[in-house]
Amino acid sequence: EADIYQTPRYLVIGTGKKITLECSQTMGHDKMYWYQQDPGMELHLIHYSYGVNSTEKGDLSSESTVSRIRTEHFPLTLESARPSHTSQYLCASSAGQGTSGNTIYFGEGSWLTVV
Amino acid sequence: DAKTTQPPSMDCAEGRAANLPCNHSTISGNEYVYWYRQIHSQGPQYIIHGLKNNETNEMASLIITEDRKSSTLILPHATLRDTAVYYCIVRARGSNFGNEKLTFGTGTRLTIIP
Repeated sequence: EADIYQTPRYLVIGTGKKITLECSQTMGHDKMYWYQQDPGMELHLIHYSYGVNSTEKGDLSSESTVSRIRTEHFPLTLESARPSHTSQYLCASSAGQGTSGNTIYFGEGSWLTVV
Repeated sequence: DAKTTQPPSMDCAEGRAANLPCNHSTISGNEYVYWYRQIHSQGPQYIIHGLKNNETNEMASLIITEDRKSSTLILPHATLRDTAVYYCIVRARGSNFGNEKLTFGTGTRLTIIP
């Protein structure tokens, strides 16, 4: 099992509120990712990081922002939530080197509903 | 990363072997084949990966054809808990340059029938 944790798992929040989705991994992985997935649909990469102080936008444009101040922590923030942000957000990480190579491990996901 | 093609859905009887095919005809020499599965409302779970040799672990076996243009994931004794969407992905490994993200397609929805 991968040691990558997301909180909260489920959240219902009102429009206009600020929300931060937490993601932590204890594997010492340099690379971390955020994916967004609507029910029954494909995963889309929205942010990734190659290490501390490194963040990049993914394929799918997102109004969320991320930060990487510590290796193990990669939080995602929505400054003003809207109903269009309702989705599942999946955090992932990978070592990028060694025998585990680029195998990417996922957290359990955070289901966000904006009402 | 090379594109993959998978059947949208499959059924398998409980206790039987589930064989999930994947075509990746444009795979390049440095690209590995990865398999993940996603059980409803959970994050994708890594299953297995390989380059050109067949691989086996405690979850599954991966058979890659000699020309590497296709592969098959085998769950030897399927259980009801194996019902999930299975994703076949090909991507380069070990590169520090460019894109290291995974591109998931729509996968195969495997249903294990009691």
